[in-house]
Amino acid sequence: GQLVESGGGVVQPGRSLRLSCAASGFTFNTQAMYWVRQAPGKGLEWVASVWYDGTAKFYADSVQGRFTVSRDNSRNMVYLQMNSLTSEDTALYFCARNMPFNLWGQGTLVTVSS
Amino acid sequence: IQMTQSPSTLSASVGDRVTITCRASQSIDDWLAWYQQKPGKAPTLLIYRASTLESGVPSRFSGSGSGTEFTLTITGLQPDDFATYYCQQYTSYSGYTFGRGTNLEIK
Repeated sequence: GQLVESGGGVVQPGRSLRLSCAASGFTFNTQAMYWVRQAPGKGLEWVASVWYDGTAKFYADSVQGRFTVSRDNSRNMVYLQMNSLTSEDTALYFCARNMPFNLWGQGTLVTVSS
Repeated sequence: IQMTQSPSTLSASVGDRVTITCRASQSIDDWLAWYQQKPGKAPTLLIYRASTLESGVPSRFSGSGSGTEFTLTITGLQPDDFATYYCQQYTSYSGYTFGRGTNLEIK
């Protein structure tokens, strides 16, 4: 299997960004998907989860109410809509499959800076 | 649930046996995974359910523990093993927490 993230970039505080993750090589619609981030030089932080059918979603307290995870099983895609971004959201964002995470993408870098 | 990982840095030589410890703030049964991460790369899963080796992972890696105390042991360090290691608990749908990582460096 493979996961490829995209959509990262430099964004001003308070603005929004949408990340995408394209999945291939496995039966996407049977797998829960996750977003995990890593601030520069720091450890790993789980961000959000979406169930295989999209019916259940969970968020870390640090992003609850600002981030929204979604998926499109017809396109083998998972998304992370990020609103009201702050400098603390600056990180490399990975999408990952399953729990525990047995497949990771290469990550997409989000930098929140004025 | 907080995960306390130690040490934060570990210096060792090729061929050594090393142990990394992870402690959970409450019982997580055996819902614990270990990951390896190399600079600039995504993590890779080494061990899940505290002691089950992921397919393709060399047998020099082993995990043990249950409840709140867990260990990752590497027996016979290889040059490719110098990396950062993270533990992660996955006992609850609403929060999956990682340890702060252990940087395994060459002595």
